[in-house]
Amino acid sequence: LAKTTQPISMDSYEGQEVNITCSHNNIATNDYITWYQQFPSQGPRFIIQGYKTKVTNEVASLFIPADRKSSTLSLPRVSLSDTAVYYCLVTNSNYQLIWGAGTKLIIKP
Amino acid sequence: EPEVTQTPSHQVTQMGQEVILRCVPISNHLYFYWYRQILGQKVEFLVSFYNNEISEKSEIFDDQFSVERPDGSNFTLKIRSTKLEDSAMYFCASSDVFPTNTGELFFGEGSRLTVL
Repeated sequence: LAKTTQPISMDSYEGQEVNITCSHNNIATNDYITWYQQFPSQGPRFIIQGYKTKVTNEVASLFIPADRKSSTLSLPRVSLSDTAVYYCLVTNSNYQLIWGAGTKLIIKP
Repeated sequence: EPEVTQTPSHQVTQMGQEVILRCVPISNHLYFYWYRQILGQKVEFLVSFYNNEISEKSEIFDDQFSVERPDGSNFTLKIRSTKLEDSAMYFCASSDVFPTNTGELFFGEGSRLTVL
């Protein structure tokens, strides 16, 4: 099973770049890495997905080294509204996504 | 922007009662899911549904749970006899592609179930 490990919490300040690293040592050859964001009392929201190297969209960047045993979500110039829980997921089976505890990110003014 | 909608937003029920949570997935999506999240804990997979049948279910999804797509738009989760430990936020999600490797799940805002 492709279990993920992330820091439980992180703090940062407005305007800073935030990097959240996730380890997934047992990732399988065909697995992708996906990150979701969740605000309190809301459903998770897709941020970014990648297989290897670097992926960038309008919200974030995802860095995946060659061995794919870890990945780093990078949020540029965070604001207070980026305070949320961030989940790193690796596909487990055909349909099921296994969610870890996530990283609670707190952005301070 | 298309979205997944869920009703009710909050339901309070007595232990032992039946509860039906409703979801309207995004219209052209083919894969449907229910997840739950107990307050302060992680998101847990319950069940996935495709082509009018359950594709996969977790250990949580026991005989007390059932899902149905009664028409072309709704996707329901039924809990036959609620227990205190069923109190949680229940999220419906849908996707338009087979989710093995790629594609995102679109989640609803959730239905909070409180069992007294």
